[in-house]
Amino acid sequence: AQKVTQAQTEISVVEKEDVTLDCVYETRDTTYYLFWYKQPPSGELVFLIRRNSFDEQNEISGRYSWNFQKSTSSFNFTITASQVVDSAVYFCALSGFQGAQKLVFGQGTRLTINP
Amino acid sequence: DSGVTQTPKHLITATGQRVTLRCSPRSGDLSVYWYQQSLDQGLQFLIQYYNGEERAKGNILERFSAQQFPDLHSELNLSSLELGDSALYFCASSVIGELAPQYFGPGTRLTVL
Repeated sequence: AQKVTQAQTEISVVEKEDVTLDCVYETRDTTYYLFWYKQPPSGELVFLIRRNSFDEQNEISGRYSWNFQKSTSSFNFTITASQVVDSAVYFCALSGFQGAQKLVFGQGTRLTINP
Repeated sequence: DSGVTQTPKHLITATGQRVTLRCSPRSGDLSVYWYQQSLDQGLQFLIQYYNGEERAKGNILERFSAQQFPDLHSELNLSSLELGDSALYFCASSVIGELAPQYFGPGTRLTVL
């Protein structure tokens, strides 16, 4: 069975601080995909990144960066110089390669950036 | 804007009733997924359709059913509604292959009174 754990339920930081959201996953698949989605207060789910299990290169996109470590089954997300607009619930998700392409989501981390 | 549309945005109904949620995928996407987001269960996969055919089922109750039409829009039917069915229902769409990202619609918030 697949499982995603986001141990941090809520994080609150002051604007301009760096913050890291943790994600740990479990799967028996050798090929799988990992995702991060953002859910702002308006409620929609916004796709941020997809990473496949063969690509362990870290990725940076502006103030966002992702650290994928297969050895520890982790896919952590860091926001550098956080801004109030980053306040949202962030979800990590996992999908297998074979069969259903359903996403298995973690419970989410509510991030609040205070001015 | 993800390009996925869902209607209605909000739905308030009573226990025992039946409702239909509608989803139009992004142009060119053949696969549609339905998810339920509730406070106690989090985000859970319900069902997937690909080009009109059911492809995978998740934790979908027997009172719920879905279909995808030839124009690729999809409907999720919820019947004999219970208080516990109150949730945010998301539709997502993707192309098939290479585990393409799923792009989510704005959701339909269902309140059962």
